[in-house]
Amino acid sequence: GAVVSQHPSRVICKSGTSVKIECRSLDFQATTMFWYRQFPKKSLMLMATSNEGSKATYEQGVEKDKFLINHASLTLSTLTVTSAHPEDSSFYICSARRHGTGGTYGYTFGSGTRLTVV
Amino acid sequence: AQTVTQSQPEMSVQEAETVTLSCTYDTSENNYYLFWYKQPPSRQMILVIRQEAYKQQNATENRFSVNFQKAAKSFSLKISDSQLGDTAMYFCAFTPYNNNDMRFGAGTRLTVKP
Repeated sequence: GAVVSQHPSRVICKSGTSVKIECRSLDFQATTMFWYRQFPKKSLMLMATSNEGSKATYEQGVEKDKFLINHASLTLSTLTVTSAHPEDSSFYICSARRHGTGGTYGYTFGSGTRLTVV
Repeated sequence: AQTVTQSQPEMSVQEAETVTLSCTYDTSENNYYLFWYKQPPSRQMILVIRQEAYKQQNATENRFSVNFQKAAKSFSLKISDSQLGDTAMYFCAFTPYNNNDMRFGAGTRLTVKP
């Protein structure tokens, strides 16, 4: 149980276009999902916290207009990178917190999306 | 703000031997959770072990165990009988009891040598 599906796994897009990444909890409801960015050989940096039915909470320094987050249902959150630039190229990972649980078993990670902007 | 520090960027160990990865953290919270995650080359984050701060007993999962020192804010991971498949990045992570987000350390790259 507790599977999070993240798609696409890899995407290449042209500079100036937008890319949408999906994060789905397959077998549980997730009121809260998290989006991380990971640079090569670096740690995961929290970008934003996505709450179902409300606006996302962005970490300091993350442009909310560039990284649009939508959490329209208890099983789906999307991250849209708008007007992508080469410096947005990175590995993006989502995680989902299981509804009704605390911080023990409640976090499951997607398999990540490698975004390359050319 | 909570911070997580992993002071060992890289470690190596011979197969079948034991290795300990260090992690310290800083928080004013009294109740929280600590985790060790493994990230192999596939980059999938895999939960290795977790510890609840209010439990004094150190968590153990097969070959993996932790040394949790709450007063010292230290949470080290011991891997016994290291296997080649243990080669990966290891991240220490923290989340407050009533909060949502999880904060990660910088990671330790572990290489198990045959």
